[in-house]
Amino acid sequence: DADVTQTPRNRITKTGKRIMLECSQTKGHDRMYWYRQDPGLGLRLIYYSFDVKDINKGEISDGYSVSRQAQAKFSLSLESAIPNQTALYFCATGPPSSNEQFFGPGTRLTVL
Amino acid sequence: QKEVEQNSGPLSVPEGAIASLNCTYSDRGSQSFFWYRQYSGKSPELIMFIYSNGDKEDGRFTAQLNKASQYVSLLIRDSQPSDSATYLCAPGDSGYSTLTFGKGTMLLVSP
Repeated sequence: DADVTQTPRNRITKTGKRIMLECSQTKGHDRMYWYRQDPGLGLRLIYYSFDVKDINKGEISDGYSVSRQAQAKFSLSLESAIPNQTALYFCATGPPSSNEQFFGPGTRLTVL
Repeated sequence: QKEVEQNSGPLSVPEGAIASLNCTYSDRGSQSFFWYRQYSGKSPELIMFIYSNGDKEDGRFTAQLNKASQYVSLLIRDSQPSDSATYLCAPGDSGYSTLTFGKGTMLLVSP
């Protein structure tokens, strides 16, 4: 089984809908991250968490929220999706006291 | 605003040649540096990291770091067509909390 899983892998939705993307890991890492990737803009950090009670905003958190339900689970929500949130979303995990990060397979989200 | 600059490419090299990928960064506090490889439509894969000035070798890959010049590079020796991908440079922040990713350099290795 993959160390970092993301569900769904692909999602098409409409403007205004609430969407949740989920990430689970079996690596035993404390740190978890959410990124989005857009052509020409690279990977940008949305939110990150270093343990269940720790949530931090990244570079582009507006329009997103997160929940760290357990050490192994970190979900990303779009409360009211808009077309410019169409992107490839990646979850990543990492060990404590390190910048090392390991990525999940990604979720391709399309907002119509 | 932390900046990470990479030539977008594509960098085209023949099979068996050395590919040289370069990266400059703005955050003087960065202490750790990572290189990721990303195939089209796939997730980034960690291939190298370096913390100290100088060279670090791992198989066909060599990472080079010069903190005074705020410059990090990745050399790929004996390039193979399977090395064709986008390579992302990612300096870590001084607090070992987050990475800032460059936009990547596309490498094309022709048979």
